[in-house]
Amino acid sequence: GNSVTQMEGPVTLSEEAFLTINCTYTATGYPSLFWYVQYPGEGLQLLLKATKADDKGSNKGFEATYRKETTSFHLEKGSVQVSDSAVYFCALSDRNFNKFYFGSGTKLNVKP
Amino acid sequence: KAGVTQTPRYLIKTRGQQVTLSCSPISGHRSVSWYQQTPGQGLQFLFEYFSETQRNKGNFPGRFSGRQFSNSRSEMNVSTLELGDSALYLCASGTGTSGIDEQFFGPGTRLTVL
Repeated sequence: GNSVTQMEGPVTLSEEAFLTINCTYTATGYPSLFWYVQYPGEGLQLLLKATKADDKGSNKGFEATYRKETTSFHLEKGSVQVSDSAVYFCALSDRNFNKFYFGSGTKLNVKP
Repeated sequence: KAGVTQTPRYLIKTRGQQVTLSCSPISGHRSVSWYQQTPGQGLQFLFEYFSETQRNKGNFPGRFSGRQFSNSRSEMNVSTLELGDSALYLCASGTGTSGIDEQFFGPGTRLTVL
């Protein structure tokens, strides 16, 4: 079946530090992969996506590359800001089952 | 383009009551999905509708039901509320024309059951 596993948090970093949040997946077909971000008291916002192997999604300084050989979609940012503090969700969509599969979320705290 | 809207934003009910939540998708989107978010269980998929038909559902009891109208607006109903139903309920919309793909989320309805 399909599933998403992401690293447990919270992750605490100082401003301008490098960020990596690990995400791996299992899928029966050829899913699309996503990173969503949730700020306190809000819904989820799409951060970036990749629809096929070797695609790189990027937005607001965040990047993630769809690695089919390692079934991974790790989120990276070169220099985090306090405003990046939020919960990050990795997800995959399976068109065959009309369903999204979300990871458990990773809380990021960035200290000034 | 207006985003996904959910009403009400906050709701307080007592055990045994029932509740109806509403979701208006982005204009042109025909797919609406519902999720329950709790600190302990994370994001759990409830169901997905496309053109008034339920295409998929998660592992929730029959007390949770939904429907979609011809204008793509969707409602979710929970009957005989239990304390454990307290959660943030999120609605998401998408084009849905090739299965389920990129989803756009609303702000959620925070349900508290006393």
